[in-house]
Amino acid sequence: EIVMTQSPDTLSVSPGERATLSCWASQSVTSNLAWYQQKPGQAPRLLIYGASTRATGIPARFSGSGSGTEFTLTISSLQSEDFAVYYCQQYNNWGTFGQGTKLEI
Amino acid sequence: EVQLLESGGGLLQPGGSLRLSCAASGFTFSTYALSWVRQSPRKGLEWVSVIRGSGDGTDYADSVKGRFTISRDNSKNTLYLQMSSLRAEDTAVYYCAKDPLPYSSGYYGFFDYWGQGVLVTVSS
Repeated sequence: EIVMTQSPDTLSVSPGERATLSCWASQSVTSNLAWYQQKPGQAPRLLIYGASTRATGIPARFSGSGSGTEFTLTISSLQSEDFAVYYCQQYNNWGTFGQGTKLEI
Repeated sequence: EVQLLESGGGLLQPGGSLRLSCAASGFTFSTYALSWVRQSPRKGLEWVSVIRGSGDGTDYADSVKGRFTISRDNSKNTLYLQMSSLRAEDTAVYYCAKDPLPYSSGYYGFFDYWGQGVLVTVSS
């Protein structure tokens, strides 16, 4: 099983600032990496797939990068609605999720 | 508008059985692979099972293999998960989730739409 590890567990950032979230895979997943946002009481929402392609309707302030084993999600200027938990998921080999990063004010 | 609506959750004892359903609308049901993904405080998000659009191919996480069966009825636009020999560690919110693109011979394994989730609690 490919283990996904996210860092940090919690990130405290102010609105308007930039947030950088990291995700590592225990072995290469090439570019088969997705990012999701989850708010309390809601299902996850797809943000990024293919490591860097924004899903339909996702604002341009969300961007993804990386390949192989190291990936980054960047939110360029945080809005109030961006404070949530973010998960990475590899889908190269029986998709597995990271433990999540909580983005808090 | 794509909608996925799960039902069938509940509280049951270890060793019991339960069937979850997911009613879908807003897309051509038979052309998309569908999955069940669960979430628990202990294990986080875990992909449980997937079924191809035609229903002729399935796959399971090792943790549920031999106990859970995924199926679909393309005439009713409904996805199912039959769960048996349930354990405390199966306690979770179960989501049905849709692949992002049609894929006749397989699945992508990431998800552009999710249902609202249904809670399954296994406890004595």
